[in-house]
Amino acid sequence: DVVLTQSPLSLPVTLGQPASISCRSSQSLVHSDGNTFLNWFHQRPGQSPRRLIYTISNRDSGVPDRFSGSGSGTDFTLKISRVEAEDVGVYYCMQATHWPHTFGGGTKVEIK
Amino acid sequence: EVQLVESGGGLVQPGGSLRLSCTASGLAFRNYWMHWVRQDSGKGLVWVSRINSGGTLTTYADSVKGRFTVSRDNARSTLYLQMNSLRGEDTAVYYCVVGVTAPSGGYWGQGTLVTVSS
Repeated sequence: DVVLTQSPLSLPVTLGQPASISCRSSQSLVHSDGNTFLNWFHQRPGQSPRRLIYTISNRDSGVPDRFSGSGSGTDFTLKISRVEAEDVGVYYCMQATHWPHTFGGGTKVEIK
Repeated sequence: EVQLVESGGGLVQPGGSLRLSCTASGLAFRNYWMHWVRQDSGKGLVWVSRINSGGTLTTYADSVKGRFTVSRDNARSTLYLQMNSLRGEDTAVYYCVVGVTAPSGGYWGQGTLVTVSS
């Protein structure tokens, strides 16, 4: 199975400051069709995960533009340009290129 | 507004069975792959199963292969997960997810808790 390693595990951030989460894959996530199915999800306490980003860098509808995704091959990054209070929770990267699809272990974002 | 509503979870003894359902609204259900994902108390997310839009292709995680069966009824916009020979390690919140890679997809249900215990 593809292993996704996220770092850091915990990310204390000051409101209004940027944040960055890394996701590294144990193998290339480039699909045979040319797409790279790397998504990012956010889960607030007590809620279901919500998709933020699909295929590396495409923001879902309603996702603020302070969120951006980048990367290629095996290295990917989620950035929040200015953290807001509503951004707390756990962020997961997830790959859907290979079966079984797999998630990273999560990065917990909290406000300092 | 897209809504996915799971049901069917509960407490079951080891070796028992449960059938989960997920009813979708607000989207063209028949056009999407559908997935089951579970999250245990340690908060790890694990893919369980998926089914293509027509219901002709299914895939399972090794941990549930031979015990779980995914199916769908496009006329009812409903996804199912039949879970047999349940084990303690199957205890988790089960989510249905629609079109995980689709630009118009990525939605999750609210989850249904399955507890396997004697």
